[in-house]
Amino acid sequence: EADIYQTPRYLVIGTGKKITLECSQTMGHDKMYWYQQDPGMELHLIHYSYGVNSTEKGDLSSESTVSRIRTEHFPLTLESARPSHTSQYLCASSEEGPANNEQFFGPGTRLTVL
Amino acid sequence: GQNIDQPTEMTATEGAIVQINCTYQTSGFNGLFWYQQHAGEAPTFLSYNVLDGLEEKGRFSSFLSRSKGYSYLLLKELQMKDSASYLCAVNTAGGFKTIFGAGTRLFVKA
Repeated sequence: EADIYQTPRYLVIGTGKKITLECSQTMGHDKMYWYQQDPGMELHLIHYSYGVNSTEKGDLSSESTVSRIRTEHFPLTLESARPSHTSQYLCASSEEGPANNEQFFGPGTRLTVL
Repeated sequence: GQNIDQPTEMTATEGAIVQINCTYQTSGFNGLFWYQQHAGEAPTFLSYNVLDGLEEKGRFSSFLSRSKGYSYLLLKELQMKDSASYLCAVNTAGGFKTIFGAGTRLFVKA
């Protein structure tokens, strides 16, 4: 069973609020990822990290930012939430090394911005 | 551009066999994954192919043809719990970024 956690699981907030979505894993994985997924749609990579102090933007333009100060922790922050940010956010991690390393996904945070 | 195509929905009967196809066009190729995602849950890993041919794992098998940009996931002896979305994902070269298809929603009926 994957040991990757996300909090909160559900969040409803008003426009303009600053929020941080938490993601942590206890598997010692170097690689971590944030995806955005709308219902019935594909996952879009918005940020990824190869390790501590390494962060990169993904394929989908996002107004969010991430940090990687510790291996196990990869939080995502929205400085000013908007209704267009309403979506499901999935965090994942994988081992360093060969490309066949599967990604382990957290349970997701379902965000609604009013 | 980069593109992964899968059928949107499929329906099959309990106990039957179903094949879910996936075609891809990506700027690089470093392996293809299949994930299962139940409604409201996170994806979970099913299989990985990097060489041409068939990989079998219990009731699930996955096939890859790199020259055709084609893969399929074969599910045998379908069970009701197999009702889920099946995501085809390609690991592109140079950065280990994974691109996901929109998924195929499989409905298993009694």
